Amino acid sequence: QQQVKQSPQSLIVQKGGISIINCAYENTAFDYFPWYQQFPGKGPALLIAIRPDVSEKKEGRFTISFNKSAKQFSLHIMDSQPGDSATYFCAALTNSGGSNYKLTFGKGTLLTVNP
Amino acid sequence: DTEVTQTPKHLVMGMTNKKSLKCEQHMGHRAMYWYKQKAKKPPELMFVYSYEKLSINESVPSRFSPECPNSSLLNLHLHALQPEDSALYLCASSQRTLVTMNTEAFFGQGTRLTVV
Repeated sequence: QQQVKQSPQSLIVQKGGISIINCAYENTAFDYFPWYQQFPGKGPALLIAIRPDVSEKKEGRFTISFNKSAKQFSLHIMDSQPGDSATYFCAALTNSGGSNYKLTFGKGTLLTVNP
Repeated sequence: DTEVTQTPKHLVMGMTNKKSLKCEQHMGHRAMYWYKQKAKKPPELMFVYSYEKLSINESVPSRFSPECPNSSLLNLHLHALQPEDSALYLCASSQRTLVTMNTEAFFGQGTRLTVV
């Protein structure tokens, strides 16, 4: 059962354009929603994250929009650059007791930004 | 320091070998994780250690044996692996802060394991 659905699977954007990646979840126990950026052969790097009591969070060119009632959240990359080309994973965190935090990942989006 | 260090970066082992993957963090995090990632797939959780005790085992085969010697170190012992176990093995750590209630999970660069 996939608890975090991510789309699109791949995305091609021109330099300077806006990249938008969407995620949806079902489990209302999720209480923290990070986005990870992963380059080939590297581990995922935390990009930006949001809590469900906030509707939007912006850090530089990266913005998360969060719709709690629809159980959806999205990543917007403004002024996309070729260096942003990577795989992006949305994730959702739940506390399964004590310090047991379990991350559930979406399937990932391969972003290609053409020069 | 937000670094999770994994060694080795690459490992090739035969199906009869015994090897270990190592992970280290000095952020004071009390939860540490092992994930397995196949090509073009998201990371899959294998184990969670909380305060040096195994708290989650996601039905991982016994040929993978985790160990947490202390709060900064996490090992994954490998024995009698199969070629299909070839993957990127990722270590991560996290600790929720009471002030911000934000949890940041930091990943290492991974160990690229090839079983021959």
